[in-house]
Amino acid sequence: EADIYQTPRYLVIGTGKKITLECSQTMGHDKMYWYQQDPGMELHLIHYSYGVNSTEKGDLSSESTVSRIRTEHFPLTLESARPSHTSQYLCASSPADDRPYEQYFGPGTRLTVT
Amino acid sequence: GEDVEQSLFLSVREGDSSVINCTYTDSSSTYLYWYKQEPGAGLQLLTYIFSNMDMKQDQRLTVLLNKKDKHLSLRIADTQTGDSAIYFCAESKGSWGKLQFGAGTQVVVTP
Repeated sequence: EADIYQTPRYLVIGTGKKITLECSQTMGHDKMYWYQQDPGMELHLIHYSYGVNSTEKGDLSSESTVSRIRTEHFPLTLESARPSHTSQYLCASSPADDRPYEQYFGPGTRLTVT
Repeated sequence: GEDVEQSLFLSVREGDSSVINCTYTDSSSTYLYWYKQEPGAGLQLLTYIFSNMDMKQDQRLTVLLNKKDKHLSLRIADTQTGDSAIYFCAESKGSWGKLQFGAGTQVVVTP
């Protein structure tokens, strides 16, 4: 079982608020990822990290930002939430050079912006 | 997931076999994957196949890969109600390990 955690699991927040979605893993994985999952199920990579102090934007443009100060922690921040940010956010991690590149997923945070 | 395409929905009777299909476009993909997502949960790796293989079997799961047609399928034998979930096909992109996911196939198992 993967040891990757996300909090909160559910969040309902008003427009304009600043929020941080937490993601932590205890597996010592170097690589971490954030995905946004549409209500229609499709997954979009919005951020990823090679390791500490490394962050990159993913395939889908996002107004969120991430940081990677510690190996185990990869929080995602929205400075000013909008209804268009309503979605499921999934965090994942994988070992540095471990093929076949299995990614371990957290349970997700379902965000609703009113 | 425009590089990886899947049908969106599959209904199957309990005890029958399920077949979920996927097409991908990147012929340089080294690994192809099937992930499962149960309601309210993250994705979990079910199985994967290396690109130089045609078939892989793991208990009730059989993966078939047709590299010429860039077609991947997942067969679940003796489908159970616990197999009801969303199944994602994915391909690895480059040597870094980024994955490109399909849109997912919702499988509903009826008694």
